[in-house]
Amino acid sequence: AQTVTQSQPEMSVQEAETVTLSCTYDTSENNYYLFWYKQPPSRQMILVIRQEAYKQQNATENRFSVNFQKAAKSFSLKISDSQLGDTAMYFCAFYSGNTGKLIFGQGTTLQVKP
Amino acid sequence: GAVVSQHPSRVICKSGTSVKIECRSLDFQATTMFWYRQFPKQSLMLMATSNEGSKATYEQGVEKDKFLINHASLTLSTLTVTSAHPEDSSFYICSARWATNEKLFFGSGTQLSVL
Repeated sequence: AQTVTQSQPEMSVQEAETVTLSCTYDTSENNYYLFWYKQPPSRQMILVIRQEAYKQQNATENRFSVNFQKAAKSFSLKISDSQLGDTAMYFCAFYSGNTGKLIFGQGTTLQVKP
Repeated sequence: GAVVSQHPSRVICKSGTSVKIECRSLDFQATTMFWYRQFPKQSLMLMATSNEGSKATYEQGVEKDKFLINHASLTLSTLTVTSAHPEDSSFYICSARWATNEKLFFGSGTQLSVL
């Protein structure tokens, strides 16, 4: 079974600074995708970024980028120029191409301070 | 992006009653829908997977007789919490996808409080 681990329950960053959220996963599959989701206080799940496992190039979306280390099974999220609106809970998630299921890590609560 | 509507957003019920939560895909055909449960400040735990026209597949530890899932059409799935008890109080979130697409679209969630 796949597992997703986020070892940082809480983090904080000053506005305009850069922060990196960690995520590791365990799987024996080759066909999978990795995601980072944001859950603000409204609790609506918002897709931040997506990475195909078969692609070596790290995904980027504006201020958000990932460091995907496939051999190490590591998938960290870097947020540049942090904004107050980035304050939220962030979940790393693993999508199995075999089962079609999306499994989430424990989450990291990020506080952006003015 | 695709829209998934979930209702109600909040429900309060008495212990022993049943509650139905609806999840609708508004602008695409959701061949598969997923139901998650989330306790405060915790992760989303997958409860079950439902494919249109088929019986739902439940994750280990989830009581299928307590959490009834119906996915009778390509745009609607329902989760019924039967004989609800206070320990069933939680935030329930649905998500949906089209075909085997890896991108899931999430509903806005339902906060269930059982008194």
